[in-house]
Amino acid sequence: DSGVTQTPKHLITATGQRVTLRCSPRSGDLSVYWYQQSLDQGLQFLIQYYNGEERAKGNILERFSAQQFPDLHSELNLSSLELGDSALYFCASSAQSGSTYEQYFGPGTRLTVT
Amino acid sequence: QKEVEQDPGPLSVPEGAIVSLNCTYSNSAFQYFMWYRQYSRKGPELLMYTYSSGNKEDGRFTAQVDKSSKYISLFIRDSQPSDSATYLCAMSIYNTDKLIFGTGTRLQVFP
Repeated sequence: DSGVTQTPKHLITATGQRVTLRCSPRSGDLSVYWYQQSLDQGLQFLIQYYNGEERAKGNILERFSAQQFPDLHSELNLSSLELGDSALYFCASSAQSGSTYEQYFGPGTRLTVT
Repeated sequence: QKEVEQDPGPLSVPEGAIVSLNCTYSNSAFQYFMWYRQYSRKGPELLMYTYSSGNKEDGRFTAQVDKSSKYISLFIRDSQPSDSATYLCAMSIYNTDKLIFGTGTRLQVFP
């Protein structure tokens, strides 16, 4: 168990809908990362927050947004969902920001868009 | 061309075999190299973390980095059925947080 928690485990929704995925980092970790894992694209970095502020952005669609709250938990919001958004969404956390700090992954949320 | 290339496998070996997993990369700015293990329907689990070139050993696992060839390897000695999983390499540039992952190699160790 990495200490990173994610809810819900599974989510099934229809095209055009909006969902929110939640992540709680390991105790004391200030950085939170979101990744998308699909069969054809592998694991792709979406966005990073550090102590409440956006730190880095990857291949995140404009329909997606995220935030990190004062208690350091983070939420990833996905809107106007399309079939192609079906994937595993992982959250990871690290103690600080920077490549010297190891990232620990949560169990993921499996999103199915029908 | 992808920044990080990894043979998807599957790689099937008998219990006790030595397993070699590899990744190649194109960006010479990568300095941090990681190996993650991912069981089916689970999150990636950090196995090994190395900086720059050289070897690092942890129990049955050895990670090697050859920056001159842009090639990294993970060796698993005395492989066990419990090692059956997908192995993902990942790397990053100094002082950035973005990890670039390979697509993963699926390993099957049969008794």
